[in-house]
Amino acid sequence: DSGVTQTPKHLITATGQRVTLRCSPRSGDLSVYWYQQSLDQGLQFLIQYYNGEERAKGNILERFSAQQFPDLHSELNLSSLELGDSALYFCASSSTSGGASYLSNTQYFGPGTRLTVL
Amino acid sequence: AQKVTQAQTEISVVEKEDVTLDCVYETRDTTYYLFWYKQPPSGELVFLIRRNSFDEQNEISGRYSWNFQKSTSSFNFTITASQVVDSAVYFCALSEFSTGGFKTIFGAGTRLFVKA
Repeated sequence: DSGVTQTPKHLITATGQRVTLRCSPRSGDLSVYWYQQSLDQGLQFLIQYYNGEERAKGNILERFSAQQFPDLHSELNLSSLELGDSALYFCASSSTSGGASYLSNTQYFGPGTRLTVL
Repeated sequence: AQKVTQAQTEISVVEKEDVTLDCVYETRDTTYYLFWYKQPPSGELVFLIRRNSFDEQNEISGRYSWNFQKSTSSFNFTITASQVVDSAVYFCALSEFSTGGFKTIFGAGTRLFVKA
């Protein structure tokens, strides 16, 4: 158990809909990362937040957005869903943003949310 | 640009054999991190090791060992005396510091089958 929790575990929805995935980081971790794992694209980094601020952006679609709240949990919002958005969405957390500290950025992953778009 | 190549898509070995999973990376940064993760059939991603670009020491942890060579941009992973429980997909990943945070790119993964 990594200490990172994600809800829901499974989500089935229809094209055009909007969903919200939730992540609670490990106790004390300030950074949250979102990843998408699909058969076509493999594991892709989407976005990173550190203590409520966006810090790094990867291949995140404009239809997707995320935020990190004062209690450090994070939500990933996916809208206007398409069939191709079906994937496993992972959240990870680490203790630092990766700034001046070269000693960390070990990311611990949650169990994932499996999204199926029909 | 970042790139991580795991050329071996699938590897099949018999229990107790040694197996090496290859990882080659590309980066223009001098400061970066390399990782290996294991994804067993249950689906979770399990952290195995982190190595930063300033530390080329090889590491051994039980049956696992890692060989980091900056000269060849490789970070290979060896499992000694493989066991059935080692069957999983193994991912190599590269993190670079970028605009205040870390961007991480994963290789395509190597699926390891260990047969009894």
